[in-house]
Amino acid sequence: DGGITQSPKYLFRKEGQNVTLSCEQNLNHDAMYWYRQDPGQGLRLIYYSQIVNDFQKGDIAEGYSVSREKKESFPLTVTSAQKNPTAFYLCASMVRGATGEQYFGPGTRLTVT
Amino acid sequence: AQSVSQHNHHVILSEAASLELGCNYSYGGTVNLFWYVQYPGQHLQLLLKYFSGDPLVKGIKGFEAEFIKSKFSFNLRKPSVQWSDTAEYFCAVTTGGGNKLTFGTGTQLKVEL
Repeated sequence: DGGITQSPKYLFRKEGQNVTLSCEQNLNHDAMYWYRQDPGQGLRLIYYSQIVNDFQKGDIAEGYSVSREKKESFPLTVTSAQKNPTAFYLCASMVRGATGEQYFGPGTRLTVT
Repeated sequence: AQSVSQHNHHVILSEAASLELGCNYSYGGTVNLFWYVQYPGQHLQLLLKYFSGDPLVKGIKGFEAEFIKSKFSFNLRKPSVQWSDTAEYFCAVTTGGGNKLTFGTGTQLKVEL
């Protein structure tokens, strides 16, 4: 089955710790995206990558970092510099040039206390 | 930068009622418009899209949307909702190269039996 997997589904961390969220896709898509979803705020773009070894900041990149060493994988690190890290994080992918038709993973709910 | 507004944050309808969810965008150039849906416990998925041509587009599960350029709107409609339509609905837009989606804040729809 082709799709996007995100693990774990729920993640708990103490304040001050960095945490890495996993995103893997077997759709052979070039582009991958990370969004943050908060109640009443919709989805906001954190980072995106259109090709391996290249990525760009989205609208709310501060306190986050990413890497894109393989086409299939686009991990997101939530650093201790992110002021409000508790949120639902969604990963998506898209065929390059497909104009907005993104495929989404199931999400990871991160709680930082 | 483009933005998307969804004015209905929570909508409650009875089964068989008609649905119209508002979506307005701000961007003066060519846009591509989307509605995504997030059913409880499921991945965010594409409901329908508009690129060009007939401004009335039809999507899955009996949904349709009308692009009105003069009003910068792309409202979602369904003549008769079902309990299974309970979900969160997001309007989104891309501009230019279409690599990034800008989402609205979402509308939570609850359909009661």
